[in-house]
Amino acid sequence: AQSVSQHNHHVILSEAASLELGCNYSYGGTVNLFWYVQYPGQHLQLLLKYFSGDPLVKGIKGFEAEFIKSKFSFNLRKPSVQWSDTAEYFCAVTDSGAGSYQLTFGKGTKLSVIP
Amino acid sequence: DAGITQSPRHKVTETGTPVTLRCHQTENHRYMYWYRQDPGHGLRLIHYSYGVKDTDKGEVSDGYSVSRSKTEDFLLTLESATSSQTSVYFCATKPGTGDAFFGQGTRLTVV
Repeated sequence: AQSVSQHNHHVILSEAASLELGCNYSYGGTVNLFWYVQYPGQHLQLLLKYFSGDPLVKGIKGFEAEFIKSKFSFNLRKPSVQWSDTAEYFCAVTDSGAGSYQLTFGKGTKLSVIP
Repeated sequence: DAGITQSPRHKVTETGTPVTLRCHQTENHRYMYWYRQDPGHGLRLIHYSYGVKDTDKGEVSDGYSVSRSKTEDFLLTLESATSSQTSVYFCATKPGTGDAFFGQGTRLTVV
């Protein structure tokens, strides 16, 4: 069964600091990878996704992530965070083979940005 | 946002009563999911569906059942609610290999 590990439970940064949130997955096959964001009191929204091709993917709001297959990692980055980035971030994986319907999430990383 | 509607949005119920949560989609997505979200646990999959009348268990399915009689509706039932089922429940839908889209969530409190 696939699983997802997010290394940081809570990250606190000052505005303009750089961000990197770790995500590792366990599934050994071909995967689709996602980062979702949940702002306080809201539902999950897609930040970015990787299906195939260029392992460096760019998403909304200046976020990007790099897929490193050899490390089973899909870390999220942003060069300069803003107070409005305060939210919880979830990494998710699904296998891209036949029957690729089980979507598994990590436990999330809460990001607090201090003005 | 995708057309996903969860109802009710908030519910308080008593221990031992049955509860049904509804997820309705207008996107004609094949896959539908029920997750629960609890602090420190992220989103945990309860049940999912890969077609009408085709459902399967997720990692935390005990105490829950689901039904999908139409593409657009996916029902989650707590047969006899317990306090440990107090949570926020999210429905999600997904086309074949695309992104998952989430509903607004249902906050359920079992007293």
